[in-house]
Amino acid sequence: SQTIHQWPATLVQPVGSPLSLECTVEGTSNPNLYWYRQAAGRGLQLLFYSVGIGQISSEVPQNLSASRPQDRQFILSSKKLLLSDSGFYLCAWSSGAWGYTFGSGTRLTVV
Amino acid sequence: DQQVKQNSPSLSVQEGRISILNCDYTNSMFDYFLWYKKYPAEGPTFLISISSIKDKNEDGRFTVFLNKSAKHLSLHIVPSQPGDSAVYFCAASEEDDKIIFGKGTRLHILP
Repeated sequence: SQTIHQWPATLVQPVGSPLSLECTVEGTSNPNLYWYRQAAGRGLQLLFYSVGIGQISSEVPQNLSASRPQDRQFILSSKKLLLSDSGFYLCAWSSGAWGYTFGSGTRLTVV
Repeated sequence: DQQVKQNSPSLSVQEGRISILNCDYTNSMFDYFLWYKKYPAEGPTFLISISSIKDKNEDGRFTVFLNKSAKHLSLHIVPSQPGDSAVYFCAASEEDDKIIFGKGTRLHILP
């Protein structure tokens, strides 16, 4: 069966520090991978999506970047965090069929 | 500009009664609509979906209705149960498989 792992579950980082959130998928190949963010008072916002290794599309200009070094690995990064980067980050995957499977999420607090 | 709108941030319904969650969208190119349920500190989980070629889809206590002319869909939960208390996200997708979420509606089932 397919599973998706996202870590860490919670993270508190100082302003200006780097960020690396990792997401891996098991039990499937060539998934479409996504990073979403749910900031306070807002709905889920698509940040990046990837349809293959090294293929990253950015939906919203921001302080973050994403990389897909392996087929089932998706990494969300930042060189210098801002206070506004605080939020709940979700990784998701899709086989191209209907529906998505989300990871358990990462609660990021930038202090 | 929000393409998927859930105008009610919260809803309270008596246990055993019908819960109706509403969603409006602006993009006529959306061809698939989904509802997700989210408990606190967890990622959203897929609940039910509907293709744009249909106007109704039923799964147990959950029914989704789609009115394309009005660009409106709704989720009906009958009968409502305490475990239904959660945040419900409406989402929509185009052919490229990206999904756009609404801000969510928090449903509270009253005993």
